[in-house]
Amino acid sequence: QQPVQSPQAVILREGEDAVINCSSSKALYSVHWYRQKHGEAPVFLMILLKGGEQKGHEKISASFNEKKQQSSLYLTASQLSYSGTYFCGTVNSGGSNYKLTFGKGTLLTVNP
Amino acid sequence: NAGVTQTPKFQVLKTGQSMTLQCAQDMNHEYMSWYRQDPGMGLRLIHYSVGAGITDQGEVPNGYNVSRSTTEDFPLRLLSAAPSQTSVYFCASRRRQAGDGYTFGSGTRLTVV
Repeated sequence: QQPVQSPQAVILREGEDAVINCSSSKALYSVHWYRQKHGEAPVFLMILLKGGEQKGHEKISASFNEKKQQSSLYLTASQLSYSGTYFCGTVNSGGSNYKLTFGKGTLLTVNP
Repeated sequence: NAGVTQTPKFQVLKTGQSMTLQCAQDMNHEYMSWYRQDPGMGLRLIHYSVGAGITDQGEVPNGYNVSRSTTEDFPLRLLSAAPSQTSVYFCASRRRQAGDGYTFGSGTRLTVV
């Protein structure tokens, strides 16, 4: 079952912040985040394993609330290069750690 | 390293034809997966493999077959193409370690007429 992402789309001005949410109805083992630019393949950003950790990657960070089965991606001081579609992917607990199911994506547009 | 290589990049098929989408990786990754991407649907898992000789079904396996005879190659076969299989197909691979993410190929855009 696909995780649910929100919002579906967001438009920012350069320098603004954004939060993208990902939630699942099942217990999670891990959450992946990817970014895809138009016409290109998805690119891995980060992975969060169960344990409620928070990770950072330049001005992009993420958190994982295992109890709520939710993850959030935080983009701060957005740059034009952040534009693209962001996907979360989830791996359920109790199963294999390789079956990755993606949400439908969040389209992020950063304008000058 | 070439990473994950998919061929062909573009393909047009007639309804009922069969074909194989090729995927090869040179990173010695244990796990490989096939996804299809349709507008508004995100990436949907077709089949996946945890190693040579081991495959399993994903969310949308009907109409597709896979095999994994080597660690490097994971071809996807369309048995009898249908217009509903018009999509962009991505192959992806990763190491077995839990903290690793997937590396995606550049995709194959398939049109079935």
